[in-house]
Amino acid sequence: DAGVTQSPTHLIKTRGQQVTLRCSPKSGHDTVSWYQQALGQGPQFIFQYYEEEERQRGNFPDRFSGHQFPNYSSELNVNALLLGDSALYLCASSPPPIRETQYFGPGTRLLVL
Amino acid sequence: KNEVEQSPQNLTAQEGEFITINCSYSVGISALHWLQQHPGGGIVSLFMLSSGKKKHGRLIATINIQEKHSSLHITASHPRDSAVYICAVRWETSGSRLTFGEGTQLTVNP
Repeated sequence: DAGVTQSPTHLIKTRGQQVTLRCSPKSGHDTVSWYQQALGQGPQFIFQYYEEEERQRGNFPDRFSGHQFPNYSSELNVNALLLGDSALYLCASSPPPIRETQYFGPGTRLLVL
Repeated sequence: KNEVEQSPQNLTAQEGEFITINCSYSVGISALHWLQQHPGGGIVSLFMLSSGKKKHGRLIATINIQEKHSSLHITASHPRDSAVYICAVRWETSGSRLTFGEGTQLTVNP
């Protein structure tokens, strides 16, 4: 059983560009949460999806958007990239019905130049 | 001000030492997680606590709900324990989203 997978592993973009990160949850999990982790900091919650809808959102601008597909996989999109968007982006999935435990993927490291 | 505070920020120990990492939080929680992050970035969940104490191998986690405080202990530490240890909480009012502390960088020297 594969765990949570994320792609790509690393990505370099320039300011103003747009980026899409992908996450496949662990088998049987229907909920996907996205976190941003700046260097030397703890992860910050971006948003959470289940049943193909954004259910909760952290304090991130509208440049950060997402999507969940019928197979529960998810995308994180960031528009108009800023240097400060450089971070490790982590995806975590949770199983129904309680969704208490989160299983983390390896992350996508984004560098914005 | 981060609502989840960890101490110390950095910790260096000699192999075999007993290690304690502390976490305090500001308001009511439904659960507290201890997580381990290795240099590659992947995060592994160690414990989820809502009361009392849990033990897994050389790791022990305790929580005091009244004092809003949790500790992670590592007995007989080993260089392979070197990692960042992160405390994360699920607030009573925030559903399943997690709020993380800034992590404790642990280095265990042989």
